[in-house]
Amino acid sequence: AQTVTQSQPEMSVQEAETVTLSCTYDTSENNYYLFWYKQPPSRQMILVIRQEAYKQQNATENRFSVNFQKAAKSFSLKISDSQLGDTAMYFCAFTFRTGANNLFFGTGTRLTVIP
Amino acid sequence: EAGVVQSPRYKIIEKKQPVAFWCNPISGHNTLYWYLQNLGQGPELLIRYENEEAVDDSQLPKDRFSAERLKGVDSTLKIQPAELGDSAVYLCASTPHLRTDTQYFGPGTRLTVL
Repeated sequence: AQTVTQSQPEMSVQEAETVTLSCTYDTSENNYYLFWYKQPPSRQMILVIRQEAYKQQNATENRFSVNFQKAAKSFSLKISDSQLGDTAMYFCAFTFRTGANNLFFGTGTRLTVIP
Repeated sequence: EAGVVQSPRYKIIEKKQPVAFWCNPISGHNTLYWYLQNLGQGPELLIRYENEEAVDDSQLPKDRFSAERLKGVDSTLKIQPAELGDSAVYLCASTPHLRTDTQYFGPGTRLTVL
């Protein structure tokens, strides 16, 4: 079975500072994708960043970057220069590269950016 | 380009009543997903459609839940009768086709069963 674990239920960061959210996963498959989704109070699940497991290079999207450690099955999200609009729930998710592509989500981390 | 549209945004009903949620995916997206998100949890898949065919409904509680996607575009998820434990957010997502990895989500419907 595939599992995604987010061990930090809540985190806070000062505006303009950097914060890292942790995620570990478990799968016996070798080809898969990993995602970080953001869910603000509006409930809209918004894709933040995507990583292909067969690529060693860590994905980056503006202020967002990941530290992907495939052997350790770890996929952390770093947010630089935190902004008030980053306040939201953040979900780590996983899907297979082949076959059914259901998303498996973690339980989320609630991030609060403090002005 | 319009995103995934869901309605209603909020619904409050009494237990044992029926309820239906509607989803309109992004134009041209063949694959549609319904997810259940309980409070404090990540979403969990209920059913996945490829065009009008339900290709994975193994997690759908079929005694009270049903879904349809007529003509392979809009989809409706129904609960009859609703129970207190059904209070949750119901999310719809779509992708251009089954092999596409990135899913695009709608704003969800928050259901409260009293």
